[in-house]
Amino acid sequence: GDSVTQTEGPVTVSESESLIINCTYSATSIAYPNLFWYVRYPGEGLQLLLKVITAGQKGSSRGFEATYNKETTSFHLQKASVQESDSAVYYCALVSGSFNKLTFGAGTRLAVCP
Amino acid sequence: DMKVTQMPRYLIKRMGENVLLECGQDMSHETMYWYRQDPGLGLQLIYISYDVDSNSEGDIPKGYRVSRKKREHFSLILDSAKTNQTSVYFCASSPPTANSDYTFGSGTRLLVI
Repeated sequence: GDSVTQTEGPVTVSESESLIINCTYSATSIAYPNLFWYVRYPGEGLQLLLKVITAGQKGSSRGFEATYNKETTSFHLQKASVQESDSAVYYCALVSGSFNKLTFGAGTRLAVCP
Repeated sequence: DMKVTQMPRYLIKRMGENVLLECGQDMSHETMYWYRQDPGLGLQLIYISYDVDSNSEGDIPKGYRVSRKKREHFSLILDSAKTNQTSVYFCASSPPTANSDYTFGSGTRLLVI
């Protein structure tokens, strides 16, 4: 079946430092799945952060960006300068097949220290 | 305001009791989902509902059943809860088309003792 592996948390960085959360995927039912990053802030549901449905493209939102690399089957999340408000749990996910079913990674808890 | 609402937010039940988790959405989305999340694991799909009375098992349906009698409402039922069903449960909805974005609820934290 499909699977997603991402950086094991927690990840702690200082404000204004750069961030990278690694994500690699394996999709058995489709060559090029759609890829997503979701974020869950404390006390809230998951929110879509960004998505990319075309291999080779880059998605960006709120200063975060991720590039769909089909050669390395990766979709790493990066930000040049994090803020304390970025503290949350980040989930990499993919959709493959016809039922719009999301397969998630385990999530990476990010703590940004002032 | 488009949202998915889950009730209750927190729940404590004794082993063997029945549990009802409720989920509502105000977007008229056809498709709804129940996921659970445990430490170190991604969200795991329990059930999908494609519309009223049209439900399919997800990856981990054992010990759960669902009910969808209205498009805007999707319930997850645990008959005789077990301690290994302690988890955080998330409900979500989406339009039926491919690549559609999900809207998630805030989750229900269930503790079975």
